[in-house]
Amino acid sequence: DVKVTQSSRYLVKRTGEKVFLECVQDMDHENMFWYRQDPGLGLRLIYFSYDVKMKEKGDIPEGYSVSREKKERFSLILESASTNQTSMYLCASSLVGMRNTEAFFGQGTRLTVV
Amino acid sequence: AQSVTQLDSQVPVFEEAPVELRCNYSSSVSVYLFWYVQYPNQGLQLLLKYLSGSTLVKGINGFEAEFNKSQTSFHLRKPSVHISDTAEYFCAVSGEAAGNKLTFGGGTRVLVKP
Repeated sequence: DVKVTQSSRYLVKRTGEKVFLECVQDMDHENMFWYRQDPGLGLRLIYFSYDVKMKEKGDIPEGYSVSREKKERFSLILESASTNQTSMYLCASSLVGMRNTEAFFGQGTRLTVV
Repeated sequence: AQSVTQLDSQVPVFEEAPVELRCNYSSSVSVYLFWYVQYPNQGLQLLLKYLSGSTLVKGINGFEAEFNKSQTSFHLRKPSVHISDTAEYFCAVSGEAAGNKLTFGGGTRVLVKP
């Protein structure tokens, strides 16, 4: 089975801190994604990556950056955490092309910024 | 650009009654369509997907969806729901463009009442 693992289920950070959210997948997927989930807004794409060291902005990249140094790992970075970044963060991965475009999700990290 | 609209934010339904969750999409290219389910405090799990072929797609747990290209819809149905179907359901669209970016709707929360 495909496994997408997020390093923390719950995090509490202070305003202004630099925050790292880590995601690892074990199925050699090319694509990796970071979403945030807020009530009534569904999932909104922050950043995605289709290859090592490649990244593209999603719909709400402001205040975030990402790093993909290895194929299996995709990190989301909050440069200076703010209270409006309190949210559930979901990582996902998928293959490229028509073979299988299904995305597999991690369990999520609930981040609270105080 | 692609987008997804889920027309109902909440759907209360009695146990053993049928349910339909509505999803409309917009996209300028060929699309792949998905329904995901999120049980409380869990990540997203794929219910079913449409990639090509038959427009009626059957998924897990007795769910099915019908792709209607002329109406740009992909509604999800189940003829008889169980208490365990209480969850949030997300419709999503992706395409053949590089990265297969996955765009989600706002979600529909289904509450099954005894």
